[in-house]
Amino acid sequence: DQQVKQNSPSLSVQEGRISILNCDYTNSMFDYFLWYKKYPAEGPTFLISISSIKDKNEDGRFTVFLNKSAKHLSLHIVPSQPGDSAVYFCAARRGLQTGANNLFFGTGTRLTVIP
Amino acid sequence: DAGVTQSPTHLIKTRGQQVTLRCSPKSGHDTVSWYQQALGQGPQFIFQYYEEEERQRGNFPDRFSGHQFPNYSSELNVNALLLGDSALYLCASSFRPSGRRSTGANVLTFGAGSRLTVL
Repeated sequence: DQQVKQNSPSLSVQEGRISILNCDYTNSMFDYFLWYKKYPAEGPTFLISISSIKDKNEDGRFTVFLNKSAKHLSLHIVPSQPGDSAVYFCAARRGLQTGANNLFFGTGTRLTVIP
Repeated sequence: DAGVTQSPTHLIKTRGQQVTLRCSPKSGHDTVSWYQQALGQGPQFIFQYYEEEERQRGNFPDRFSGHQFPNYSSELNVNALLLGDSALYLCASSFRPSGRRSTGANVLTFGAGSRLTVL
C-alpha cells in the first residue's frame, strides 16, 4: 500500500527555468513532509521539510508547498541548475502521537536539468 | 565529521544464505533506522533501534533482525535469503530529542547503502 506517491518518474527542465516536482499522499495522519535528494552511489540527503500546520516553506532556491485538503505537496526549484540533476524523494511522517516517527517514501522523480 | 558509514558496499549471496550489514551512525546521533530500497522503488522502513532496543518495525518478516551496540553502531541481519531480498539497504541515523515530541523534522542522515544481490 503506497501511502506516498510520486506519479512522475522523470522530469527534464532547461537550466534557469523552474522545476516542479509533485507528491500525493493518502494518510491523513501524516504531520510532517520532507524532500530528499539522491545522487548516484550516495545516500539520500535532506533538502527541505514542511509541517502540516504550514502551507509553504522556503529555503533559497527551494520552496515546498502543501495543500492538505488535496493531500498534495510540491517542490519548486527556481532557478534550476545542472547540479540539481538527481532523484528526488518525497517522504512523510505520521504524527508523533501515533508513537512512530519512521518515514514513508515515494518512488522518486528523476530530475534532469539541461544546460 | 564523518557521516553515516556502511559496510560492505556491495555483496553477492545465494538463496538460503544469511547476511550481516553494518552501520556506524553520524557523530552525535543515537538512533539508527534501516531501510530497504528495491530497484525503482523508494526506501521502505525495516526497523529502528534506540538504546540498543528495537523501537519500531515496518512490515518485514522475522528473517530481518537487527542489533544496536553501546557505541550506537548497528547491524542488520537477514536469514534464509530470497531473490526478492536483492536491494539497496540504507542505514540512517538521527538524534532522538528528549521527551516524547520532536521539535522539528525527523531529519535522517543516510549512508550510501549496501547493495545486496541474491542469486
